[in-house]
Amino acid sequence: GQQLNQSPQSMFIQEGEDVSMNCTSSSIFNTWLWYKQDPGEGPVLLIALYKAGELTSNGRLTAQFGITRKDSFLNISASIPSDVGIYFCAGQFRLTGGGNKLTFGTGTQLKVEL
Amino acid sequence: GAVVSQHPSWVICKSGTSVKIECRSLDFQATTMFWYRQFPKQSLMLMATSNEGSKATYEQGVEKDKFLINHASLTLSTLTVTSAHPEDSSFYICSANRDYTYNEQFFGPGTRLTVL
Repeated sequence: GQQLNQSPQSMFIQEGEDVSMNCTSSSIFNTWLWYKQDPGEGPVLLIALYKAGELTSNGRLTAQFGITRKDSFLNISASIPSDVGIYFCAGQFRLTGGGNKLTFGTGTQLKVEL
Repeated sequence: GAVVSQHPSWVICKSGTSVKIECRSLDFQATTMFWYRQFPKQSLMLMATSNEGSKATYEQGVEKDKFLINHASLTLSTLTVTSAHPEDSSFYICSANRDYTYNEQFFGPGTRLTVL
């Protein structure tokens, strides 16, 4: 199946630093989502973006829905140790019979050094 | 609210046996449920979409006869891996839509399947 290209693949940063990661697609999506997954668990929604150009914040997280609807970025400010994990972007589009379908990005592994 | 559970959380089985994984929406009715598979250090790949009372829609390359999905009620979907082989070892995650107008998919905690 299709995957969204996410970069960087992994990041190793110092506590307190800001982090930026992005996601690109060859397809247009109606909604962009950012998830965090801890080892051995399901992904947890961080931010949802519904309109092209939209910039949304959730605490230390900020994400933007690209104007072309084919890309998005996620910024984390002042990283802390609990930010460690894998971050996935996901593009969402509506199914004709109702509900929606997600396509996930390749993931960004974030490691924070104290 | 919007909690999704999976059972079991992990399972080890012998090659050739079948394994059933349950996905339940605990505090809402799920009109649509989804099954994903995630191999180590890889992303989530959608396997199939299921609506209550109807046949599941499988993604290209996913064998419907091997991965049987039953969405018998608005709160329960099951995935049965039939005649499991070591290459089926993976992390299986389900998710659920609350209703047709609600955007968010709520994810379960996943089931780790190891086939010996």
